[in-house]
Order: sequence, then structure tokens, then C-alpha cells
Amino acid sequence: KQEVTQIPAALSVPEGENLVLNCSFTDSAIYNLQWFRQDPGKGLTSLLLIQSSQREQTSGRLNASLDKSSGRSTLYIAASQPGDSATYLCAVRKFSGGYNKLIFGAGTRLAVHP
Amino acid sequence: EPEVTQTPSHQVTQMGQEVILRCVPISNHLYFYWYRQILGQKVEFLVSFYNNEISEKSEIFDDQFSVERPDGSNFTLKIRSTKLEDSAMYFCASRGDRINTGELFFGEGSRLTVL
Repeated sequence: KQEVTQIPAALSVPEGENLVLNCSFTDSAIYNLQWFRQDPGKGLTSLLLIQSSQREQTSGRLNASLDKSSGRSTLYIAASQPGDSATYLCAVRKFSGGYNKLIFGAGTRLAVHP
Repeated sequence: EPEVTQTPSHQVTQMGQEVILRCVPISNHLYFYWYRQILGQKVEFLVSFYNNEISEKSEIFDDQFSVERPDGSNFTLKIRSTKLEDSAMYFCASRGDRINTGELFFGEGSRLTVL
């Protein structure tokens, strides 16, 4: 059964720091991995999608890497800003036996203070 | 930019009542999903829908739940007789591609409170 774990559960940093959020999954047979942002009481905003054949994806100050064989992904946030404060979720799409669904981690709650 | 829209944003209901949550997926998308998130817990898969039928459902999606695409634009989730434990945020999502590598786009969610 696929399990997705995110570390740390919460993170508080001063503005301007570079951050690394970690995601690990137990079954490496995945189609892809998606990183989301969730503001309190709000929906899920897709940040980056990495296919199983890719090593990384970049969007602005965000860079996500994927090491499928070791079951790990990291989300790197450069020069963090208070507006980055949110919960960051990673989710994997299984390769078989459930390819239609995403399996989510519990998220990392990020607070960036001025 | 196209987006998934959900209504209502918040619904309060009494235990045992029927609830219908509505979603308008991104037009020309082919795959539709419902997920839910109980307060403080992980986002959980409920059901996926393709070609006018359920393609996969979780153990949460029991006989009290049903989904429907009544016309070309709406996708609904019905809970026949709500229970206290159905209180959660319900997210609709859609995906456009015919292969399994595409991105899911989520709506803002419908918060359901069962009293």
C-alpha cells in the first residue's frame, strides 16, 4: 500500500531563507508526483508536476526534484517570502492498481515571517 | 485561466439529510474526481469518473454516496443520509488527458458541516 510522508510537519523561517521540503513514498511504481499549495480553508493549487521519467521541474522560485528509485521528492523554495506561508502537499499517482487516484501526504505547514 | 468551480462553498445540514455538492470541471476535461479532507487530516480519494461511469472508488465511497454528470458541464456528489463524520471539505478535480500522466486541477472546495 502506497504511503506518502512529508517532513517536516511544520516549519517557521525568516523571510529570505531558502527552504527544502521533503516528501517520501513507499512504492516507487508511480506515474508522477504533484506538489500543491493549500492556504487555510482553501482549495489545492497545483505548483509542479513531475513525471516518473523526469528528475526535476522548475517554476519561478520553486524547484522540485524526484528520485523515484529511492522514493523521494524535494520542493526547494528560493528566497522565501511571507506570501509563501501555506501548507505544501505532495501527492503521487500510482502506476497500477489505482492509477486514477492521487495519494497525498499530510503536508508541511510553512510560516515565513518578515 | 480555466478553473474548476464548486458550489456551495459552505453547507450546514442536519444529520440524516441529503446533500448535493456541485462541480463544474474544466471544459474539455475527461476525468473527474471527488476528494475529501477532514479537518486536520490528509486529503483522501473518494471516486473517479470517466466516460459517464465510476472508474474507481475508495472504501469511503459506500452506498450513501453517488456521483452523476447530469449534463455536459456539471459533476455532482450526493450524500443520501449525512452522518456527523461526513463533515469535511470536499474537493472536485478534473484532468484532461487520455493517458495517466496529466495534471489534476482542483476546485476551491465545498465545506460540509453536519450537525
